[in-house]
Amino acid sequence: AQTVTQSQPEMSVQEAETVTLSCTYDTSESNYYLFWYKQPPSRQMILVIRQEAYKQQNATENRFSVNFQKAAKSFSLKISDSQLGDTAMYFCAFTTQTGNQFYFGTGTSLTVIP
Amino acid sequence: DAGVTQSPTHLIKTRGQHVTLRCSPISGHKSVSWYQQVLGQGPQFIFQYYEKEERGRGNFPDRFSARQFPNYSSELNVNALLLGDSALYLCASSLVLAGRNEQFFGPGTRLTVL
Repeated sequence: AQTVTQSQPEMSVQEAETVTLSCTYDTSESNYYLFWYKQPPSRQMILVIRQEAYKQQNATENRFSVNFQKAAKSFSLKISDSQLGDTAMYFCAFTTQTGNQFYFGTGTSLTVIP
Repeated sequence: DAGVTQSPTHLIKTRGQHVTLRCSPISGHKSVSWYQQVLGQGPQFIFQYYEKEERGRGNFPDRFSARQFPNYSSELNVNALLLGDSALYLCASSLVLAGRNEQFFGPGTRLTVL
């Protein structure tokens, strides 16, 4: 069975600083997709970043980057130069190559402090 | 272009009743997925439909059903409502099967079962 674990229920960071959110997952699949989603207080879920498991290179999107460790089944999100608008719930998610199942973690509530 | 739309925004039902939630995907998107998000938890995958066929099903009872119409809009039906069905129901659309392509989420329907 596939599982996604986020062990940090809440985190805070000073504006302009860097923060790393942790995620581990468990699967027997060799190829799959990993995601970080952001859900601001307005509740509309937004994709932050996406990683394909067969790609060695870590994905990057502007201030957001991931550290993908396939052997360790770890997929952490680094947010650089944190901004007040980054305050939100962050969910790590996983899907198989066929895309017929999705698994989300329990989320990390991030607060950016001015 | 309009994003994913869901109706109604809020809904209050009593135990044992039936409910239908509706979702319109982004124009051109052929895949729709449904999720249940209980307060304080991550989304739980319910269904994925692609080209009007069910392509994935999560661990939900048969009281939950869905369908996708020729215009790619979708309905989620829940029969014999239980208190535990109270949640935010999210719909997401993607060009093809989710995973290979980005999912775009709607604002959700807040269902309260009394």
